[in-house]
Amino acid sequence: DGGITQSPKYLFRKEGQNVTLSCEQNLNHDAMYWYRQDPGQGLRLIYYSQIVNDFQKGDIAEGYSVSREKKESFPLTVTSAQKNPTAFYLCASSSAAVAKNIQYFGAGTRLSVL
Amino acid sequence: AQTVTQSQPEMSVQEAETVTLSCTYDTSESNYYLFWYKQPPSRQMILVIRQEAYKQQNATENRFSVNFQKAAKSFSLKISDSQLGDTAMYFCAFSTTDSWGKLQFGAGTQVVVTP
Repeated sequence: DGGITQSPKYLFRKEGQNVTLSCEQNLNHDAMYWYRQDPGQGLRLIYYSQIVNDFQKGDIAEGYSVSREKKESFPLTVTSAQKNPTAFYLCASSSAAVAKNIQYFGAGTRLSVL
Repeated sequence: AQTVTQSQPEMSVQEAETVTLSCTYDTSESNYYLFWYKQPPSRQMILVIRQEAYKQQNATENRFSVNFQKAAKSFSLKISDSQLGDTAMYFCAFSTTDSWGKLQFGAGTQVVVTP
């Protein structure tokens, strides 16, 4: 089945620790995105990538880093510089060739601070 | 920068009834896309409906339909014959045509369908 897989479902971070959230897609989509969701707010864009080895900052990139070494993978690292990392993180992908601007989402990762 | 506003934090509707969710947006673009996404308790984001701004005809998907008023920058969602499975957070979202799908989301409206 084609889709977007995010892992783990739940993640806990200790003070000063970097953690990495995984996002894999087998939809052959070109673009991938990371969003953060906080209670009472909509999704906010952290980073996005249109092509392998290239990515751009979104609205709230500070304290986060990404890589895009393979088309199907777009991991997000929450660094120790992110002082308020507790949130729900969603990964998405889209294909300009199929239906531009329609994004398909993974099931999300819930990150909490110990 | 574009902004999306959903002014109704929560709405309640009885089964089989109709509910309308409001969404307004601000943009200087002439062509763009608008979306409604649904997030049920599982938290999986699901696309409900998509509207292209240059198309005057309102989009419809089964029990879901939109009222797109371009001049007023309004994009409301109507859910007809509401079902218990429609209980979810609904997000309005905006995307320009040249932004590789970057979505600007509203804060969401929680819809609760009661028996």
